[in-house]
Amino acid sequence: AQKITQTQPGMFVQEKEAVTLDCTYDTSDQSYGLFWYKQPSSGEMIFLIYQGSYDEQNATEGRYSLNFQKARKSANLVISASQLGDSAMYFCAMRERTGGYQKVTFGTGTKLQVIP
Amino acid sequence: GAGVSQTPSNKVTEKGKYVELRCDPISGHTALYWYRQSLGQGPEFLIYFQGTGAADDSGLPNDRFFAVRPEGSVSTLKIQRTERGDSAVYLCASSLGLGSEQYFGPGTRLTVT
Repeated sequence: AQKITQTQPGMFVQEKEAVTLDCTYDTSDQSYGLFWYKQPSSGEMIFLIYQGSYDEQNATEGRYSLNFQKARKSANLVISASQLGDSAMYFCAMRERTGGYQKVTFGTGTKLQVIP
Repeated sequence: GAGVSQTPSNKVTEKGKYVELRCDPISGHTALYWYRQSLGQGPEFLIYFQGTGAADDSGLPNDRFFAVRPEGSVSTLKIQRTERGDSAVYLCASSLGLGSEQYFGPGTRLTVT
């Protein structure tokens, strides 16, 4: 089974609108961490937001928020007020305790395009 | 401060040749990671170092791949007898330590002809 599943290969959003990028995960660990990274066409992976499995509140970082639903094993990224510069690939990732808490598994990504 | 740097940014080599890819982590970061990203895929874990030692090399695809970090800072990923299937972007990341966020470099695009 895939550890990280991103079912949306591509998404479009109108500038200034909000968009949700889906991510589901699979783990038997009780302690794990979930990440979202942005990868523009330049190729560099940019850390956006982190959610720990024991965090009771959803993580937020500026225009980014993580909709964490533990029972459903989902960790969707919400980007509010989309900007043209948000056009990029977005990767969901998970770090598990059984991986020594260091090995991070990435999903296949969602390509977001913001339309003016 | 300076981020993670990787050299070269691009490398084209012939099948069967040996290549070295270099990663210079953020100063003070004790953990260093190597990932490989093929076209249209997410990064795939290869190996990580805590200090000078390879703490987990379970992601290295075969014995043609080897990585070192002799002084606990700069790391070199070495690929022997390159194959066309090795063509990918090789990403390096570093973090302060256990459980910290990983910060990625710009990657080295390796093309094996």
